Amino acid sequence: DIQMTQSPSSVSASVGDRVTITCRASQGIGSWLAWYQQKPGKAPKLLIYGASNLQSGVPSRFSGSGSGTDFTLTISSLQPEDFATYYCQQANSFPRTFGGGTKVEIK
Amino acid sequence: QVQLVQSGAEVKKPGASVKVSCKASGYTFTGHYLHWVRQAPGQGLEWMGRINPATGGTDYAQKFQGRVTMTRDTSISTAYMELSGLRSDDTAVYYCARDLERRVGTYYYYGMDVWGQGTTATVSS
Repeated sequence: DIQMTQSPSSVSASVGDRVTITCRASQGIGSWLAWYQQKPGKAPKLLIYGASNLQSGVPSRFSGSGSGTDFTLTISSLQPEDFATYYCQQANSFPRTFGGGTKVEIK
Repeated sequence: QVQLVQSGAEVKKPGASVKVSCKASGYTFTGHYLHWVRQAPGQGLEWMGRINPATGGTDYAQKFQGRVTMTRDTSISTAYMELSGLRSDDTAVYYCARDLERRVGTYYYYGMDVWGQGTTATVSS
């Protein structure tokens, strides 16, 4: 199975800050990576697919980059509604696997 | 609108089975794979498997092989996930999620673009 490792596990930031989350795959996955946002008590929401493609309706302050084993999710200017937990997920092979999550907290 | 609506919360005893339903609406049910993902309390997301609603074909995570069964009823646009031999560590929120397949250039990329609201299954004696 492909292991997905996210860092940091949590980050404290203020509204307006630029936030970067990284995700590393245990083997190359091309660009087959998705990012999700999850708020407490809610289902995850797809943000990015194909490593860098913004899902319809997702604000442009979210962006993704990377290929192979190293990937990044960037929030260019953190908004109050962005405080949540973010997960990466590889979509290259089965079983699909998720990173452990990064909690973005209010500083 | 496109949505997935899951069945209600369940409480089961160890060793029992739980069956969760996921009713699709607003899109062609047979046009997209459906995944099942679970989340234990305070933990991350864990993929359990997927079903092709058009054919009934399934792919299961090795961890759940022999304990999980995914089925569908196309007449009512509903998918089901049954987990047997329940243990306390199966206590979790279970989600169904629609597979996104999006072509970008010469490649198809995947994700889970529509999620059910989640079904809490509690395993306790």
